[in-house]
Amino acid sequence: DADVTQTPRNRITKTGKRIMLECSQTKGHDRMYWYRQDPGLGLRLIYYSFDVKDINKGEISDGYSVSRQAQAKFSLSLESAIPNQTALYFCATSDHRTAQETQYFGPGTRLLVL
Amino acid sequence: RKEVEQDPGPFNVPEGATVAFNCTYSNSASQSFFWYRQDCRKEPKLLMSVYSSGNEDGRFTAQLNRASQYISLLIRDSKLSDSATYLCVVNRGGSYIPTFGRGTSLIVHP
Repeated sequence: DADVTQTPRNRITKTGKRIMLECSQTKGHDRMYWYRQDPGLGLRLIYYSFDVKDINKGEISDGYSVSRQAQAKFSLSLESAIPNQTALYFCATSDHRTAQETQYFGPGTRLLVL
Repeated sequence: RKEVEQDPGPFNVPEGATVAFNCTYSNSASQSFFWYRQDCRKEPKLLMSVYSSGNEDGRFTAQLNRASQYISLLIRDSKLSDSATYLCVVNRGGSYIPTFGRGTSLIVHP
């Protein structure tokens, strides 16, 4: 069973629509992250959360919002989707108690905004 | 200067070859370093952490050079299954916010 899951795995939407991407984890990690990946640009951090009451902007947070509903759940919303938000979105988790704080990724959500 | 820089490649090598990638980072306070592997359109997965004294895992060797601010990954006896993109990851000092390089593409051919 996957430790980090993302729903939906694929999504096509239209400009102006509000959509939500969801991430759940069973790893018991306290930290969660949302990234987007575009060809040639690598992974860029959108938002991150170090615990349920902590939300922080990453390098490209404009046009996005997040909610940390529980330690195991971290959702990403696009309030009004636009075509340049077409990308591959990854959720990741990490545990701050580990010496080398590695990240574990979900399988990704492919989003197409028309 | 970008925080983490990698040569995008592709590195096109025959099976059995030895290949090395470098990754430079700009923040001298960086504390943790990793190599991740990403197969086409799939999630990145940890390949190995990089320790100050260097470390080896089978055919893979990682090195850290703090003075020159780079890390390296050496792959010996390349296999077809090593074909992937290799991502360098650096955690900013103190906050453990990871920064990813754009990745180096490796193609191993028969």
